[in-house]
Amino acid sequence: GDSVTQMEGPVTLSEEAFLTINCTYTATGYPSLFWYVQYPGEGLQLLLKATKADDKGSNKGFEATYRKETTSFHLEKGSVQVSDSAVYFCALSYSSASKIIFGSGTRLSIRP
Amino acid sequence: NAGVTQTPKFRVLKTGQSMTLLCAQDMNHEYMYWYRQDPGMGLRLIHYSVGEGTTAKGEVPDGYNVSRLKKQNFLLGLESAAPSQTSVYFCASRSDRGPDQPQHFGDGTRLSIL
Repeated sequence: GDSVTQMEGPVTLSEEAFLTINCTYTATGYPSLFWYVQYPGEGLQLLLKATKADDKGSNKGFEATYRKETTSFHLEKGSVQVSDSAVYFCALSYSSASKIIFGSGTRLSIRP
Repeated sequence: NAGVTQTPKFRVLKTGQSMTLLCAQDMNHEYMYWYRQDPGMGLRLIHYSVGEGTTAKGEVPDGYNVSRLKKQNFLLGLESAAPSQTSVYFCASRSDRGPDQPQHFGDGTRLSIL
């Protein structure tokens, strides 16, 4: 069945380091792809999305490109800040389904 | 813009007690969802609804019931609380206008069962 696989955390980086969080998916069709962020004590918020192959989603310095050939949607940021410490979830959805399939989440901690 | 509002934010129950968690959304969304999130784990779907008067089971429905009598509200009930139901519960809503529509989440209800 359809699924989303994220790199296991926790990921710990120093401030201003380059970030990559890997996400790959298994899907029978052409889903839309999302990254959500969850800050401590809060619910999930949409960070960015991409709806078709080669689309790039971007927000708050984060980027992810929809790669159909490698079934991937890796999250990247050029220079992380302490305020980026959170849990990040990759997810996919189809037009024919009401549900969104989430990955297991990756906890990111940024050291000052 | 209230978005998705969950009440209560915190609750402590004794084993065997019952309670209802309320979720309200003001975005006129058709789809609504209840998830639980345990420490160090991702989200697990409990129940969901694709419209007023409809409900469906998710991955972990046992021990929970839901109702969607009004489009804007989605209630999650625990008839006889158990310690295994200690968790953070999140409600979400989503438009049915297409696969690119994201889910909007509430801030969660932190529930402890003693």
